Amino acid sequence: GAGVSQSPRYKVAKRGQDVALRCDPISGHVSLFWYQQALGQGPEFLTYFQNEAQLDKSGLPSDRFFAERPEGSVSTLKIQRTQQEDSAVYLCASSLVLGLDIDTQYFGPGTRLTVL
Amino acid sequence: TQLLEQSPQFLSIQEGENLTVYCNSSSVFSSLQWYRQEPGEGPVLLVTVVTGGEVKKLKRLTFQFGDARKDSSLHITAAQPGDTGLYLCAGVRNTDKLIFGTGTRLQVFP
Repeated sequence: GAGVSQSPRYKVAKRGQDVALRCDPISGHVSLFWYQQALGQGPEFLTYFQNEAQLDKSGLPSDRFFAERPEGSVSTLKIQRTQQEDSAVYLCASSLVLGLDIDTQYFGPGTRLTVL
Repeated sequence: TQLLEQSPQFLSIQEGENLTVYCNSSSVFSSLQWYRQEPGEGPVLLVTVVTGGEVKKLKRLTFQFGDARKDSSLHITAAQPGDTGLYLCAGVRNTDKLIFGTGTRLQVFP
């Protein structure tokens, strides 16, 4: 398909485990965003890439959260030593053109992370 | 902390009824977007409003951006079961991120 894909769709981790969540953006999209969505809430911004450069990581909750996009395409969000409060849906979005504040972000289906 | 408050938080109505969802903030946004999200999926953009006072219509949905660009509303006429979902407003301030509202969960019963 041509949309944003994320894997895995569901992840169950024991507290203290490390997890890695993958995002495949739409081909050619310059910008990539990660959001965290708690149950019943709106998504909250985590971090943003322009190509391979991470331009804003102000939303990352702690230094246990790390994101990368080494070749400017696929991105990985890594959470170290997971805790129960990390349980949420992690959404990835991509957009085509940098610099337009009304550019459309296309969202993936999300990865639902449950930390036991 | 989410800067955009939506009301109501939950809405359960019968098919054919009208409804309005509100999105309020003390901050000014350059534009505001509305999304609908269904279970197990990501949010899907419905509309973007840019100019203060702007009104946009999308079939049975009417979106309005406040004159001061701090608030917005979504009005649905003659709701249908297919309108069921989580409605999210999102403010755009910079070019780098969306600030989402708290969400309104709508259930339309046949």
